[in-house]
Amino acid sequence: EVQLVESGGDLVQPGGSLRLSCAASGFTFSSYAMSWVRQAPGKGLEWVSIIGTGGGSTYYADSVKGRFTISRDDSQNALYLQLNSLRAEDTAVYYCAKRASHGQFDYWGQGTLVTVSS
Amino acid sequence: DIQMTQSPSSLSASVGDRVTITCRASQGINNYLAWFQQKPGKAPKSLIYAASSLQSGVPSKFSGSGSGTDFTLTISSLQPEDFATYYCQQYNSFPLTFGGGTKVEIK
Repeated sequence: EVQLVESGGDLVQPGGSLRLSCAASGFTFSSYAMSWVRQAPGKGLEWVSIIGTGGGSTYYADSVKGRFTISRDDSQNALYLQLNSLRAEDTAVYYCAKRASHGQFDYWGQGTLVTVSS
Repeated sequence: DIQMTQSPSSLSASVGDRVTITCRASQGINNYLAWFQQKPGKAPKSLIYAASSLQSGVPSKFSGSGSGTDFTLTISSLQPEDFATYYCQQYNSFPLTFGGGTKVEIK
């Protein structure tokens, strides 16, 4: 059974940093691209970033480019998102998602809440 | 960036109704179109990929159709567990983008 479990969400002040983690199990983690998607309170889904197999290719939404960094550790079956220079508008539930062979997101974690506030 | 426009943004329907949700892309996306269902406080769940392929384990009352820029999600006979918010998403090109969502409520 595929499982994705996010952690690391917290209350942080504007300008602060946070590192989110996603622990994966139930599939060959190294064989799939992985992504982060976020959802602000009461709002829709917003794609944040994606990392390819081997970590060689990464893409970011313009809203986070230069502030967030996605990475993966295939030996630990783990996905990460480093969030720097946080802003109030980064407040959201952050989901990790597995990208299937066709390119769609087939499995999602339960999410971790990041709150940026003073 | 490819904009995804869903309509309606919300709808009220009764158990047993046939429901159709529309998603329009601002440019062609080669059928790289997915649909998700999200219930309050829960993660999104994949329903459809490649515009019309059913994700494994998803009941056949859900179907997707369309091509080019215009796509639809149909629920053939609405059941109580189907009341949720539905999102379309294009994965043809980066940045990946979602529609604004359609909230399906009980009439």
